[in-house]
Amino acid sequence: QVQLVQSGSELKRPGASVKISCKASGYTFTSYGLNWMRQAPGQGLQWMGWINTKTGTPTYAQDFQDFIGRSVFSLDTSVGTAYLLISSLKAEDSGTFFCARGDYLDYWGQGTLVTVSS
Amino acid sequence: SSELTQDPAVSVALGQTIRITCQADSLRSESPNWYQQKPGQAPLLVIFRKNKRPSGIPDRFSGSSSGDTASLTITGAQAEDEADYYCSLRDRGDTNVVFGGGTKLTVL
Repeated sequence: QVQLVQSGSELKRPGASVKISCKASGYTFTSYGLNWMRQAPGQGLQWMGWINTKTGTPTYAQDFQDFIGRSVFSLDTSVGTAYLLISSLKAEDSGTFFCARGDYLDYWGQGTLVTVSS
Repeated sequence: SSELTQDPAVSVALGQTIRITCQADSLRSESPNWYQQKPGQAPLLVIFRKNKRPSGIPDRFSGSSSGDTASLTITGAQAEDEADYYCSLRDRGDTNVVFGGGTKLTVL
């Protein structure tokens, strides 16, 4: 069965970086793109962008000013895993980050809680 | 970019029908996808491509649209349907995915 399994919760200091993984299984990894979303505590979903798993080309959300220039999507196709790297973390970056598959976001990872606190 | 507007909260009596709406500035003949999110869980796709349900989604969930308003209808709401519901659409040129602000559904 299709599964997306994300890495565990992270506690980071302001200014640090965090790298979240999303490991896919149960389907051909390069057949679907992977999207990244953020959900701030008690808030709605925000799309951060997606990565083309065939070419490795990332597309970052044009409207997501909070993270432009600080987030990087990457892949390791040999292990069917996508990564989200966020640098220069700020307290307001805290939230849950999700990966989800394809055009319809039909399968989601369980979410990774990132807490940024001094 | 496009905006999708949802009512923040709605309620429905157990077994009754509820329509959750998603107002777009322009649907451009598309229909949003709909996601259900329960507390502490990842979102779950419940409707895609206008009115298709993924495997395992009960047939009490249906989607429709009229003009620039899309709707998710739950016919015969169950206690387990209490959740946040989000609509989502690919923006013009397929460059962005936009989410509505979400609707909290309470089943009374």
